Amino acid sequence: AQRVTQPEKLLSVFKGAPVELKCNYSYSGSPELFWYVQYSRQRLQLLLRHISRESIKGFTADLNKGETSFHLKKPFAQEEDSAMYYCALSGFNDYKLSFGAGTTVTVRA
Amino acid sequence: DAGVTQSPTHLIKTRGQQVTLRCSPKSGHDTVSWYQQALGQGPQFIFQYYEEEERQRGNFPDRFSGHQFPNYSSELNVNALLLGDSALYLCASSSALVLSGANVLTFGAGSRLTVL
Repeated sequence: AQRVTQPEKLLSVFKGAPVELKCNYSYSGSPELFWYVQYSRQRLQLLLRHISRESIKGFTADLNKGETSFHLKKPFAQEEDSAMYYCALSGFNDYKLSFGAGTTVTVRA
Repeated sequence: DAGVTQSPTHLIKTRGQQVTLRCSPKSGHDTVSWYQQALGQGPQFIFQYYEEEERQRGNFPDRFSGHQFPNYSSELNVNALLLGDSALYLCASSSALVLSGANVLTFGAGSRLTVL
């Protein structure tokens, strides 16, 4: 069975401070990991995926297979980063995404 | 392009009734997935449709059924509604032509179902 755990429901940081959202997963094979984001009054949208190895809006995420983690990081948080963030996993040849429960991030001025 | 459109946006039903939710995918997408999102939870996969067939199904009872039409639009039907079916139902589309594209999803705004 595949499972995604986001241990923090709420995260509050000051503008300009680093922010890290934790994501741990359980899956027996090689997963594909994603971060989706939902800004206020907007739709859920893809932020980044691990195979792209991109930095999107200053965010990066590294897949650590040893620790089965895919934490999302940004060195300097901005107020526009305030949103709900979901970590999601897809298995090999799998068409479904398994989402974590989400972390609400609030960036304070 | 309006992206993924869902209807209705809100609806209220009573226990035992049936409901149909509709989804039009983003232009150029041919695959539709449905997710249920209960309050305070992440979305849960219901099923995915491709080429008018249910390609994969999540852990949902047979009361949940769907359909995909030749124009790629889709419907989600829920029979014999229970109070626990109250949730936001999200439709997401993707393109099977893009490598690993089946899981790069474009989401709709959702249909909020309340069962009384």
